Amino acid sequence: ILNVEQSPQSLHVQEGDSTNFTCSFPSSNFYALHWYRWETAKSPEALFVMTLNGDEKKKGRISATLNTKEGYSYLYIKGSQPEDSATYLCAFPRGYNFNKFYFGSGTKLNVKP
Amino acid sequence: DAGVTQSPTHLIKTRGQQVTLRCSPKSGHDTVSWYQQALGQGPQFIFQYYEEEERQRGNFPDRFSGHQFPNYSSELNVNALLLGDSALYLCASSPGTGGSDTQYFGPGTRLTVL
Repeated sequence: ILNVEQSPQSLHVQEGDSTNFTCSFPSSNFYALHWYRWETAKSPEALFVMTLNGDEKKKGRISATLNTKEGYSYLYIKGSQPEDSATYLCAFPRGYNFNKFYFGSGTKLNVKP
Repeated sequence: DAGVTQSPTHLIKTRGQQVTLRCSPKSGHDTVSWYQQALGQGPQFIFQYYEEEERQRGNFPDRFSGHQFPNYSSELNVNALLLGDSALYLCASSPGTGGSDTQYFGPGTRLTVL
């Protein structure tokens, strides 16, 4: 069993606040890290695939960084909007051909107007 | 372009019964993975299918089995249902089997076992 930890479990912020949360994973034998956004009653939506130490990806107001040596990734949201309210999941592929995905339990973000 | 579709949306079964869930992948995708998501947890990997074969399996008993058809669609079968099998079952498709291939998820099938 492989531990992928996400913190915090939940987060309540006001519209306009910037926020960040963490995904921790084993640092050995790293291959890739995926971030997903999952809005209620919808399908999980892929945000980023990160593969290199020091990687930084950006999509609108959302960005992510990766530190493979210490085994963590940060997801940042700048100027949170109510439509950012969702559960944010990270996934860590392992196994033969790295095709077995281990998900964290997610960070549930609630942005109040 | 249709995304990943799953059927049915909801399903209610009783203990001991068998269930079949279906998934159609995104156009152009040949790999399908199945996940179980229990309340309060992240999705747990069940197995992955590619070229009609199970390529990788998570920590699930043999009661969970699957199939992939030549058109890449897939089924998840669960036999001898237990109360603990109640969960959201997600299907994801990807353009390959690699760990850096983005997975595209369907909306899920909510299974309730009474």
